[in-house]
Amino acid sequence: QKEVEQNSGPLSVPEGAIASLNCTYSDRVSQSFFWYRQYSGKSPELIMSIYSNGDKEDGRFTAQLNKASQYVSLLIRDSQPSDSATYLCAVLIQGAQKLVFGQGTRLTINP
Amino acid sequence: DAGITQSPRHKVTETGTPVTLRCHQTENHRYMYWYRQDPGHGLRLIHYSYGVKDTDKGEVSDGYSVSRSKTEDFLLTLESATSSQTSVYFCAISESGNRYNQPQHFGDGTRLSIL
Repeated sequence: QKEVEQNSGPLSVPEGAIASLNCTYSDRVSQSFFWYRQYSGKSPELIMSIYSNGDKEDGRFTAQLNKASQYVSLLIRDSQPSDSATYLCAVLIQGAQKLVFGQGTRLTINP
Repeated sequence: DAGITQSPRHKVTETGTPVTLRCHQTENHRYMYWYRQDPGHGLRLIHYSYGVKDTDKGEVSDGYSVSRSKTEDFLLTLESATSSQTSVYFCAISESGNRYNQPQHFGDGTRLSIL
Protein backbone atom coordinates (compact mmCIF):
# COMPACT_ATOMS: atom_id res chain seq x y z
CA GLN A 1 0.00 0.00 0.00
CA LYS A 2 1.31 3.43 -0.92
CA GLU A 3 1.77 5.84 1.97
CA VAL A 4 -0.39 8.49 0.32
CA GLU A 5 -2.94 7.67 -2.35
CA GLN A 6 -4.91 9.92 -4.65
CA ASN A 7 -7.08 9.24 -7.65
CA SER A 8 -4.94 10.42 -10.57
CA GLY A 9 -7.98 11.57 -12.54
CA PRO A 10 -8.48 13.40 -14.73
CA LEU A 11 -11.39 14.86 -12.83
CA SER A 12 -13.62 17.04 -14.95
CA VAL A 13 -15.99 19.52 -13.29
CA PRO A 14 -18.21 22.18 -14.85
CA GLU A 15 -17.52 25.81 -14.04
CA GLY A 16 -19.34 26.97 -10.93
CA ALA A 17 -19.70 23.47 -9.46
CA ILE A 18 -17.94 21.98 -6.44
CA ALA A 19 -14.77 20.00 -7.11
CA SER A 20 -14.00 17.29 -4.57
CA LEU A 21 -10.51 15.84 -4.29
CA ASN A 22 -9.69 12.94 -2.02
CA CYS A 23 -6.61 11.49 -0.39
CA THR A 24 -5.98 8.53 1.92
CA TYR A 25 -2.85 7.84 3.93
CA SER A 26 -1.41 4.83 5.72
CA ASP A 27 0.54 6.31 8.66
CA ARG A 28 -1.85 6.35 11.61
CA VAL A 29 0.18 8.83 13.67
CA SER A 30 0.47 11.52 10.99
CA GLN A 31 -0.51 14.90 12.34
CA SER A 32 -0.05 17.35 9.49
CA PHE A 33 -1.61 17.43 6.07
CA PHE A 34 -1.16 19.77 3.15
CA TRP A 35 -2.70 20.45 -0.23
CA TYR A 36 -0.56 21.85 -3.02
CA ARG A 37 -1.67 23.09 -6.42
CA GLN A 38 0.64 22.61 -9.39
CA TYR A 39 0.01 24.19 -12.76
CA SER A 40 1.57 22.48 -15.76
CA GLY A 41 5.27 23.28 -15.96
CA LYS A 42 5.26 25.11 -12.63
CA SER A 43 6.25 24.31 -9.07
CA PRO A 44 3.88 23.12 -6.32
CA GLU A 45 2.16 25.95 -4.45
CA LEU A 46 0.78 25.47 -0.94
CA ILE A 47 -2.93 26.21 -0.75
CA MET A 48 -4.12 24.56 2.48
CA SER A 49 -2.75 23.10 5.70
CA ILE A 50 -4.85 21.12 8.16
CA TYR A 51 -3.84 19.59 11.48
CA SER A 52 -7.08 18.81 13.36
CA ASN A 53 -10.10 16.69 12.60
CA GLY A 54 -12.92 18.57 10.91
CA ASP A 55 -13.12 21.28 8.31
CA LYS A 56 -10.90 24.24 7.61
CA GLU A 57 -12.10 26.90 5.21
CA ASP A 58 -10.09 29.49 3.28
CA GLY A 59 -12.02 31.39 0.66
CA ARG A 60 -13.38 28.95 -1.91
CA PHE A 61 -11.26 26.11 -0.49
CA THR A 62 -12.25 23.75 2.32
CA ALA A 63 -9.97 21.04 3.64
CA GLN A 64 -11.53 18.17 5.56
CA LEU A 65 -9.64 15.77 7.81
CA ASN A 66 -10.80 12.51 9.36
CA LYS A 67 -7.91 10.88 11.21
CA ALA A 68 -9.95 7.84 12.26
CA SER A 69 -10.59 7.02 8.61
CA GLN A 70 -7.13 8.27 7.53
CA TYR A 71 -8.76 10.47 4.97
CA VAL A 72 -8.24 14.07 3.89
CA SER A 73 -10.14 15.93 1.19
CA LEU A 74 -10.18 19.28 -0.56
CA LEU A 75 -13.34 20.95 -1.76
CA ILE A 76 -13.25 23.82 -4.23
CA ARG A 77 -16.49 25.77 -4.38
CA ASP A 78 -17.59 27.83 -7.38
CA SER A 79 -14.89 26.20 -9.51
CA GLN A 80 -13.18 28.44 -12.05
CA PRO A 81 -11.20 27.54 -15.18
CA SER A 82 -8.15 28.94 -13.37
CA ASP A 83 -8.51 26.12 -10.84
CA SER A 84 -7.53 23.63 -13.56
CA ALA A 85 -4.30 22.11 -12.27
CA THR A 86 -2.89 19.04 -10.56
CA TYR A 87 -3.58 18.92 -6.83
CA LEU A 88 -1.07 17.18 -4.61
CA CYS A 89 -1.88 15.79 -1.19
CA ALA A 90 1.07 15.70 1.21
CA VAL A 91 1.29 14.01 4.60
CA LEU A 92 3.93 14.61 7.23
CA ILE A 93 5.37 11.32 8.47
CA GLN A 94 5.92 11.80 12.18
CA GLY A 95 9.47 11.33 13.36
CA ALA A 96 10.78 10.72 9.87
CA GLN A 97 11.41 14.36 8.92
CA LYS A 98 9.74 13.92 5.60
CA LEU A 99 6.71 14.93 3.66
CA VAL A 100 5.20 12.19 1.51
CA PHE A 101 3.28 13.22 -1.56
CA GLY A 102 0.50 11.50 -3.43
CA GLN A 103 0.85 11.32 -7.17
CA GLY A 104 -1.68 14.11 -7.62
CA THR A 105 -5.15 14.48 -9.11
CA ARG A 106 -5.44 16.34 -12.39
CA LEU A 107 -8.48 18.62 -12.27
CA THR A 108 -10.06 20.26 -15.30
CA ILE A 109 -12.77 22.91 -14.93
CA ASN A 110 -14.90 23.15 -18.05
CA PRO A 111 -16.34 26.58 -18.95
CA ASP B 1 6.45 34.19 -2.35
CA ALA B 2 9.19 32.37 -0.51
CA GLY B 3 12.60 33.64 -1.56
CA ILE B 4 13.96 30.54 -3.26
CA THR B 5 16.11 30.61 -6.37
CA GLN B 6 17.17 27.51 -8.25
CA SER B 7 19.93 27.53 -10.83
CA PRO B 8 20.23 26.66 -13.58
CA ARG B 9 16.57 26.54 -14.64
CA HIS B 10 17.32 24.28 -17.59
CA LYS B 11 20.31 22.09 -18.36
CA VAL B 12 21.15 19.54 -21.01
CA THR B 13 24.22 17.41 -20.50
CA GLU B 14 25.73 14.08 -21.48
CA THR B 15 25.85 10.79 -19.65
CA GLY B 16 28.87 10.50 -17.38
CA THR B 17 29.38 14.20 -16.76
CA PRO B 18 29.11 15.76 -13.30
CA VAL B 19 26.23 18.13 -12.67
CA THR B 20 25.59 20.50 -9.78
CA LEU B 21 22.27 22.19 -9.09
CA ARG B 22 22.06 25.10 -6.70
CA CYS B 23 19.28 26.19 -4.37
CA HIS B 24 19.57 29.60 -2.75
CA GLN B 25 17.15 30.94 -0.12
CA THR B 26 16.76 34.36 1.44
CA GLU B 27 14.35 33.26 4.22
CA ASN B 28 16.99 32.02 6.68
CA HIS B 29 15.02 28.77 7.03
CA ARG B 30 16.78 25.90 8.72
CA TYR B 31 15.44 23.06 6.56
CA MET B 32 16.09 22.56 2.88
CA TYR B 33 15.07 19.69 0.62
CA TRP B 34 15.75 18.34 -2.85
CA TYR B 35 13.03 16.46 -4.74
CA ARG B 36 12.70 15.02 -8.18
CA GLN B 37 9.40 14.81 -10.02
CA ASP B 38 8.74 12.23 -12.70
CA PRO B 39 5.55 11.13 -14.46
CA GLY B 40 4.03 8.19 -12.67
CA HIS B 41 6.16 8.71 -9.55
CA GLY B 42 5.15 12.09 -8.27
CA LEU B 43 7.49 14.05 -6.01
CA ARG B 44 10.22 12.00 -4.35
CA LEU B 45 12.68 13.19 -1.75
CA ILE B 46 16.35 12.87 -2.67
CA HIS B 47 18.16 14.48 0.27
CA TYR B 48 17.42 17.06 2.89
CA SER B 49 19.33 19.29 5.27
CA TYR B 50 18.45 20.34 8.80
CA GLY B 51 21.29 22.77 9.25
CA VAL B 52 24.71 23.80 7.99
CA LYS B 53 26.72 20.64 7.29
CA ASP B 54 23.78 18.50 8.50
CA THR B 55 22.20 16.38 5.78
CA ASP B 56 20.35 13.10 5.45
CA LYS B 57 19.13 10.79 2.72
CA GLY B 58 15.66 10.60 1.25
CA GLU B 59 14.02 7.74 -0.57
CA VAL B 60 15.91 8.10 -3.89
CA SER B 61 19.40 9.20 -2.83
CA ASP B 62 21.50 6.76 -4.87
CA GLY B 63 23.67 8.61 -7.39
CA TYR B 64 23.22 11.97 -5.66
CA SER B 65 25.21 13.89 -3.08
CA VAL B 66 24.49 17.19 -1.34
CA SER B 67 26.34 19.86 0.54
CA ARG B 68 25.33 22.77 2.70
CA SER B 69 28.16 25.04 3.76
CA LYS B 70 25.95 28.08 4.37
CA THR B 71 22.38 28.44 5.62
CA GLU B 72 21.26 29.95 2.36
CA ASP B 73 22.74 27.45 -0.11
CA PHE B 74 21.99 23.77 -0.69
CA LEU B 75 23.78 22.05 -3.56
CA LEU B 76 22.76 18.83 -5.27
CA THR B 77 25.46 16.98 -7.22
CA LEU B 78 25.15 14.16 -9.70
CA GLU B 79 28.71 12.81 -9.73
CA SER B 80 28.28 10.93 -13.01
CA ALA B 81 24.93 11.68 -14.61
CA THR B 82 22.84 8.89 -16.09
CA SER B 83 19.81 9.05 -18.37
CA SER B 84 17.62 7.81 -15.50
CA GLN B 85 18.35 11.07 -13.71
CA THR B 86 16.59 13.08 -16.39
CA SER B 87 13.88 14.80 -14.39
CA VAL B 88 12.56 18.02 -12.96
CA TYR B 89 14.31 18.87 -9.70
CA PHE B 90 12.68 21.00 -7.04
CA CYS B 91 14.21 22.58 -4.00
CA ALA B 92 12.00 23.26 -1.00
CA ILE B 93 12.48 25.02 2.32
CA SER B 94 10.70 25.06 5.66
CA GLU B 95 11.20 27.14 8.76
CA SER B 96 11.41 24.44 11.40
CA GLY B 97 11.09 21.18 9.56
CA ASN B 98 8.55 18.74 10.81
CA ARG B 99 8.84 19.55 14.46
CA TYR B 100 6.29 22.34 14.39
CA ASN B 101 4.35 21.16 11.36
CA GLN B 102 5.71 23.84 9.12
CA PRO B 103 4.83 23.39 5.44
CA GLN B 104 7.42 23.34 2.74
CA HIS B 105 7.66 25.97 0.02
CA PHE B 106 9.09 25.18 -3.37
CA GLY B 107 11.44 26.84 -5.80
CA ASP B 108 10.66 27.10 -9.51
CA GLY B 109 12.49 23.91 -10.43
CA THR B 110 15.34 22.83 -12.69
CA ARG B 111 14.60 20.82 -15.80
CA LEU B 112 17.56 18.49 -16.35
CA SER B 113 18.00 16.39 -19.48
CA ILE B 114 20.78 13.82 -19.70
CA LEU B 115 21.46 12.50 -23.18
